[in-house]
Amino acid sequence: NAGVTQTPKFRVLKTGQSMTLLCAQDMNHEYMYWYRQDPGMGLRLIHYSVGEGTTAKGEVPDGYNVSRLKKQNFLLGLESAAPSQTSVYFCASSQGGEAFFGQGTRLTVV
Amino acid sequence: TQLLEQSPQFLSIQEGENLTVYCNSSSVFSSLQWYRQEPGEGPVLLVTVVTGGEVKKLKRLTFQFGDARKDSSLHITAAQPGDTGLYLCAGALYSGGGADGLTFGKGTHLIIQP
Repeated sequence: NAGVTQTPKFRVLKTGQSMTLLCAQDMNHEYMYWYRQDPGMGLRLIHYSVGEGTTAKGEVPDGYNVSRLKKQNFLLGLESAAPSQTSVYFCASSQGGEAFFGQGTRLTVV
Repeated sequence: TQLLEQSPQFLSIQEGENLTVYCNSSSVFSSLQWYRQEPGEGPVLLVTVVTGGEVKKLKRLTFQFGDARKDSSLHITAAQPGDTGLYLCAGALYSGGGADGLTFGKGTHLIIQP
């Protein structure tokens, strides 16, 4: 049982480059989320989805886009990476309150 | 504005001591969860409390939800080095799972020294 799988686990980008982070869950959960975690800031919600084909903005959505074309996948895109987007990104899914997290993607933008 | 305030932010104690971590808010939550995160891993759920005044125990960990469902505490008895980690509280403003996601506190970094 894989749970929530994130790819890649590590990435270094140059300022202005684009990339997509992939999150896949095998629990048939309706809700999926993308968070970023920075020292002293806790987990902050970027975007979330309440079901296939739907997305909504969270607390810190600027500079990111998301898509939920399939129920099991939630993609996070950075169109033009900035150093301020250096962070650890976590994907999560939930059904009924409990959130299950992936192992995170450590992204460095230089 | 931080919806959930956790205190203390850092705590380092000796093995065998007791400790309490607090999670406070001015908002009312339908449920509140406690997660534990180890380095290089995602947070893992420890417990969910739903009813005001509810107390749940998980071995040496005791979780309490405030009567007004605005605050919670985590008490660890006879702490062990294996308890070391980042403890996060998270509140759900809507019942049924979180129409806009869970709101997390900044976490308490706990170190238990042998």
